Amino acid sequence: AQKITQTQPGMFVQEKEAVTLDCTYDTSDPSYGLFWYKQPSSGEMIFLIYQGSYDQQNATEGRYSLNFQKARKSANLVISASQLGDSAMYFCAMRAAMNSGGSNYKLTFGKGTLLTVNP
Amino acid sequence: DADVTQTPRNRITKTGKRIMLECSQTKGHDRMYWYRQDPGLGLRLIYYSFDVKDINKGEISDGYSVSRQAQAKFSLSLESAIPNQTALYFCATSDPGLATTNTGELFFGEGSRLTVL
Repeated sequence: AQKITQTQPGMFVQEKEAVTLDCTYDTSDPSYGLFWYKQPSSGEMIFLIYQGSYDQQNATEGRYSLNFQKARKSANLVISASQLGDSAMYFCAMRAAMNSGGSNYKLTFGKGTLLTVNP
Repeated sequence: DADVTQTPRNRITKTGKRIMLECSQTKGHDRMYWYRQDPGLGLRLIYYSFDVKDINKGEISDGYSVSRQAQAKFSLSLESAIPNQTALYFCATSDPGLATTNTGELFFGEGSRLTVL
């Protein structure tokens, strides 16, 4: 079974500093994908970044980067130069196959980390 | 207009009432999902559908049913609502397959906040 663990229920960071949100995963599937979504207080889910299990380099999207350590099964999100608008709930999720061919899949989510950026 | 639209956005109802949450999408995706979000529990999968004729239970399907009326429409029903079904419900879609450029990203609706009194 697939499992996603986010061990930090809440995190605080000063504006303009970097912050790392932790995510570990467990799967026996050799092909999988890892996602981070942001959920501001308004409630919508915003896709931030994706890392495939076979990707050689860590994913980056603007101020977001994913620190992918495959052997440790971790996929931490790094936000550089935090802004007040980064205050939100952040979810790590994993795509894993539901059939042998891998064409059917689902996303399993962690419980989330609430990030607060202080001015 | 949003690509994935959920109605209603907010609903307050009473125990025992039947509730339907509707989802429609213009992304042309075959795959649709219903998730439930509770504080401290993240998002949990209720039902999913890989095409109009393929509907599957997720990890927390008890007390829920779904209908896939068309490729673009996927409805979630609570036949007899109970207070512990109070939650934020999300509909999502995804692109099929595992092509090199397709990550399997979920595209979410804006959520339907349901309160059962």
